[in-house]
Amino acid sequence: DTGVSQNPRHKITKRGQNVTFRCDPISEHNRLYWYRQTLGQGPEFLTYFQNEAQLEKSRLLSDRFSAERPKGSFSTLEIQRTEQGDSAMYLCASSLATDKNIQYFGAGTRLSVL
Amino acid sequence: DAKTTQPPSMDCAEGRAANLPCNHSTISGNEYVYWYRQIHSQGPQYIIHGLKNNETNEMASLIITEDRKSSTLILPHATLRDTAVYYCIVRASGANNLFFGTGTRLTVIP
Repeated sequence: DTGVSQNPRHKITKRGQNVTFRCDPISEHNRLYWYRQTLGQGPEFLTYFQNEAQLEKSRLLSDRFSAERPKGSFSTLEIQRTEQGDSAMYLCASSLATDKNIQYFGAGTRLSVL
Repeated sequence: DAKTTQPPSMDCAEGRAANLPCNHSTISGNEYVYWYRQIHSQGPQYIIHGLKNNETNEMASLIITEDRKSSTLILPHATLRDTAVYYCIVRASGANNLFFGTGTRLTVIP
């Protein structure tokens, strides 16, 4: 399968713990995005990378959140000191930097903070 | 950020055409109309996009009014697998993020 891959699919953690999610984009895509989706709402943009550079961050990305894309390929999203409000689906997407810029999404990682 | 208005829900009989409307009355000249859908427990899936002209691909047709203030996504022969939330998104060429809103929940009825 050459689509966007996210791991793990589900994560249950206790409040205060740190969690890390991984996203493997489509191999030739140089842009990578993270979104968050809560129940009944559409996905909300968090941040995006072009190659290894993080070029934009949303106000939703608090200082407990950090994203990296060290070699311009896979990316990780870490949440430190998780809170119950962090419970959500975390979606990753990738695209080519063309004028169409169509984003292709993974299946997401569902985080439950107890 | 809300640039589009969609009905919260619609039903469609299996085998019939599903016509999903979207209002984007404040669209700018360089902004495209994109449609994505999200089937339960999956990530959003790109369907189609357009600027001025009507567009058709293997999944759907996109009809954009001449003044570009509204559009309609047409699924010509809806199947049960088309049951999903459909998002209409307006985005400028080169803009990075997608603003999804709450979309239209389409239910295809047997």
